[in-house]
Amino acid sequence: GENVEQHPSTLSVQEGDSAVIKCTYSDSASNYFPWYKQELGKGPQLIIDIRSNVGEKKDQRIAVTLNKTAKHFSLHITETQPEDSAVYFCAASTGTALIFGKGTTLSVSS
Amino acid sequence: DVKVTQSSRYLVKRTGEKVFLECVQDMDHENMFWYRQDPGLGLRLIYFSYDVKMKEKGDIPEGYSVSREKKERFSLILESASTNQTSMYLCASSPWTGRTGELFFGEGSRLTVL
Repeated sequence: GENVEQHPSTLSVQEGDSAVIKCTYSDSASNYFPWYKQELGKGPQLIIDIRSNVGEKKDQRIAVTLNKTAKHFSLHITETQPEDSAVYFCAASTGTALIFGKGTTLSVSS
Repeated sequence: DVKVTQSSRYLVKRTGEKVFLECVQDMDHENMFWYRQDPGLGLRLIYFSYDVKMKEKGDIPEGYSVSREKKERFSLILESASTNQTSMYLCASSPWTGRTGELFFGEGSRLTVL
């Protein structure tokens, strides 16, 4: 079955720096790749997603890139702010299974 | 806004007790899910439902059952709670089948089994 590896598990940056979280997946049939943000005491919330027919997608300070050949995708956050501090989860879906990575705790210090 | 409500945010139960975790969504979504979240393990799917009275096992169904008597309500049942079921439980709903669309999560139910 699908396996999703997420790195790093923790990431600390200074406010204004960029942050990058990387995920790899094993099933070449995966075609949907969402990213969720979980703030303390809340449930995860979708922040951006990408489908396999697209290589990159941007939404303001957030971007996701997908390399289907290498089977990896990444979340890029630019100009980080303290409110970006949270746990981020990547996931990959084949259409019949959605598998999450183990999460990255991002800390942005001001 | 989509609202997924989990009735209990924090529960403390004894080993062997029967535990009910309730989840209600107000967006008429067909699909509902129960996940378990543990540090270092991410989110793992316990059970899901694509329709009323329909249920499918996820990746870790052992020790759990579910009930979906109404479209808006999906319950997770621990027939005999054990200490290894101490965890955060997340309910989610989605209008998309095939798990290729957004999941809307509740705020979670943190269960401690003593």
